[in-house]
Amino acid sequence: AQSVTQLGSHVSVSEGALVLLRCNYSSSVPPYLFWYVQYPNQGLQLLLKYTSAATLVKGINGFEAEFKKSETSFHLTKPSAHMSDAAEYFCAVGNNNAGNMLTFGGGTRLMVKP
Amino acid sequence: DAGVIQSPRHEVTEMGQEVTLRCKPISGHNSLFWYRQTMMRGLELLIYFNNNVPIDDSGMPEDRFSAKMPNASFSTLKIQPSEPRDSAVYFCASSTDRHSPLHFGNGTRLTVT
Repeated sequence: AQSVTQLGSHVSVSEGALVLLRCNYSSSVPPYLFWYVQYPNQGLQLLLKYTSAATLVKGINGFEAEFKKSETSFHLTKPSAHMSDAAEYFCAVGNNNAGNMLTFGGGTRLMVKP
Repeated sequence: DAGVIQSPRHEVTEMGQEVTLRCKPISGHNSLFWYRQTMMRGLELLIYFNNNVPIDDSGMPEDRFSAKMPNASFSTLKIQPSEPRDSAVYFCASSTDRHSPLHFGNGTRLTVT
């Protein structure tokens, strides 16, 4: 079984401030972890993925995430928010027992204030 | 790479009518997923195909929903009869294997009045 919890359905930051979006997962076997971003009226796009290589994963648009097994976390960060980062962000988990199926978190809407 | 293509982008129909949503996955991808997104329930997996065979349809809400994948390049999701509570954005996604990310289409926004 696998599950994902995203703490905070809405996060608001000022432009230039640190972005931190939280994701905790549960998986009975080593997980694969993904962050996706969804802009209005579009499908989800991959930001980054963790598949048991380096624990610090760099993605597109300056985002990165760190896999912490002891904390079962995969939080997404960006040092300096940009107005164009305003979107909804989804964390997802998969594993070898789940085939190609991913379990998605409830999403976090990021708002960036000027 | 044209990406995952869904049609139509928007569908407005009256309660009781049949609705068919279409999806063309990325060529070479052997897994296809149908998701539904609503404000209340977020992103829900409806059904998952691997090599054109339905693997898990436990997310299909009820018998009014059915999905087919007659070949590797086409899938449909049908709702018959439709109800207002079916109003949502329906996404199709495809992938190659469990290590690979899902590629999503732009979705079909369904409104049932």
